[in-house]
Amino acid sequence: DAKTTQPTSMDCAEGRAANLPCNHSTISGNEYVYWYRQIHSQGPQYIIHGLKNNETNEMASLIITEDRKSSTLILPHATLRDTAVYYCIVRVDSGGGADGLTFGKGTHLIIQP
Amino acid sequence: NAGVTQTPKFRVLKTGQSMTLLCAQDMNHEYMYWYRQDPGMGLRLIHYSVGEGTTAKGEVPDGYNVSRLKKQNFLLGLESAAPSQTSVYFCASSLIWNEQFFGPGTRLTVL
Repeated sequence: DAKTTQPTSMDCAEGRAANLPCNHSTISGNEYVYWYRQIHSQGPQYIIHGLKNNETNEMASLIITEDRKSSTLILPHATLRDTAVYYCIVRVDSGGGADGLTFGKGTHLIIQP
Repeated sequence: NAGVTQTPKFRVLKTGQSMTLLCAQDMNHEYMYWYRQDPGMGLRLIHYSVGEGTTAKGEVPDGYNVSRLKKQNFLLGLESAAPSQTSVYFCASSLIWNEQFFGPGTRLTVL
């Protein structure tokens, strides 16, 4: 699986959009981009994933550049409860493969009141 | 639905003692995973299972054994605990390959 690079930490004001970048310049054509987050002392929580196209769900939006070498996770209206470590993960989905996720150190997002 | 549950939540062991961590899921998921997370680090995969009766090694399997006798349960065993196994252990399950559901974790300290 390709490696990812994320900033160590970021701040965002409550109510504003939080934009979390991720660099994955060695991504392969069959690798997806996943985002999980981990609120302090809890298990990780799935947020969103995508291959080429931008994706949106009730939690966030995922913007993937045309060359797929980087992506941005957008939390449209950040709240204090969004303070967490956010992990960008790139992996091959082998359609039935059960290999685990490879977590880096992620970005510690701090929402300021 | 309870989702993924882990037992116990906390445990303190002495070096050389053994213990078993239990993971249970009620979502009828085929795949289950055990990860460990050390302070300030991301999670690392210990073992995983693609179905009842099957197990496979992950990134850091040494010192651990697992069993999946029932589809809903995945057990992680430490036969002879070492201080290096002090960590937070997370179990996860998934129906298909895209979304893993995680348990709340077990905090293990080995003295």
